[in-house]
Order: sequence, then structure tokens, then C-alpha cells
Amino acid sequence: GIQVEQSPPDLILQEGANSTLRCNFSDSVNNLQWFHQNPWGQLINLFYIPSGTKQNGRLSATTVATERYSLLYISSSQTTDSGVYFCAVSTNAGGTSYGKLTFGQGTILTVHP
Amino acid sequence: KAGVTQTPRYLIKTRGQQVTLSCSPISGHRSVSWYQQTPGQGLQFLFEYFSETQRNKGNFPGRFSGRQFSNSRSEMNVSTLELGDSALYLCATGTGRGEAEAFFGQGTRLTVV
Repeated sequence: GIQVEQSPPDLILQEGANSTLRCNFSDSVNNLQWFHQNPWGQLINLFYIPSGTKQNGRLSATTVATERYSLLYISSSQTTDSGVYFCAVSTNAGGTSYGKLTFGQGTILTVHP
Repeated sequence: KAGVTQTPRYLIKTRGQQVTLSCSPISGHRSVSWYQQTPGQGLQFLFEYFSETQRNKGNFPGRFSGRQFSNSRSEMNVSTLELGDSALYLCATGTGRGEAEAFFGQGTRLTVV
């Protein structure tokens, strides 16, 4: 099946710093999403971005589907940005994979005041 | 509109018992997928239901089963609980198209003692 690798595994920042999280995937995808897992465990949708670039406030994301990677940018980080960030993909390769997301291992972000 | 609702939020069960978890999708969503999250294995896909039929299945033993009702609500059942089944169980719903965005519920945290 498709492999998803996220880097770095851990990231520690001071408030106000910028950061880039990376997601590499091993096959073509028809869905790529970035999530932030809150302290209570819920996955919060950040971006649905199988290709192209999107921005939402201090966050932006870019997926280069032909090169099989996606980047999540966080600018002017705040302590509330702390948590785990996941990249997840789905693919039609090999048959019907609708509704099946494969997750990376996540990036644990800690923002200090 | 209302989000994805999972019940209960927390459960404590004894080894050997069985448990049933529930997921109510966003209105209009016909696909419900289930995931298990543990510290050691990360987020793993259990199965997906679409129009009351299981459409995808992950690599979990037969003790893990599910079903979907005509109103798209889904239940997941785990029989003969083991200590290793302690995990956060998340459901995600979507329209059912492979490229469609998935939305997650708050999760059910199961502890097996």
C-alpha cells in the first residue's frame, strides 16, 4: 500500500517563529489532507489539498502531486498551534480505496511562549 | 450544520467483554470510516461503510466488526476485548467519492482493564 512519511517528527519553536512541515507519499493520490489533533484527540481539518496551494490565515499548504510531497507552513506561531499535525492521503491505485485514508506518523509541534 | 458525533466519549471495559461504538455522520454523508489510534501504531484504518455495505477493510482481526444503518449511522463492535484494544477510536465521514474530504468525530477513548 501507499507509504506516507512526515518530517520532522518533533519540532520545538518560540512563539512568533515560522515552520515548515513536510509530507512525502509513495504513490499518486486523489486526496491529501492536513489535520491538527487537539488535546482531546479530535482531528481538526486544516487543508484538503490533493494539489496546488491554499492559504488560511497564518497557515498555508502546497502539494506538488507530480513530485509526491506536500508542505504545511505555519507563520508567526502561537502557543495554541501546539499539538500533533497529521498528513493523510487516499489513492485509487490497485482498486477502490474510497474512504480509506493512510496517515503519516505525525509531527509533534511545541510552541513556547 | 452539525458535525460528526461519536458516542460514548469514554469507555472502560474488562478483558473478554464486548463493546459497541456509534458514529453519526454529517447530514448527507453516506460514507463512514473507522480508525484506531494507539501510541505504538499510530492511526490505522479499520473499515469503511458506504450505503450499508462494507467497501474497504483494514488488517484487523475478525473481532472487529461494523455495520451501517439506512440513515448512514454506523456502529463498530469489538468482541472478546484484549488489553491491546485500548485506544482512541475515530470515525470519519464523507460523501463517498474517493477524492472527497473526510471529517472526523471527537473520538471514543476505550480503556480495557
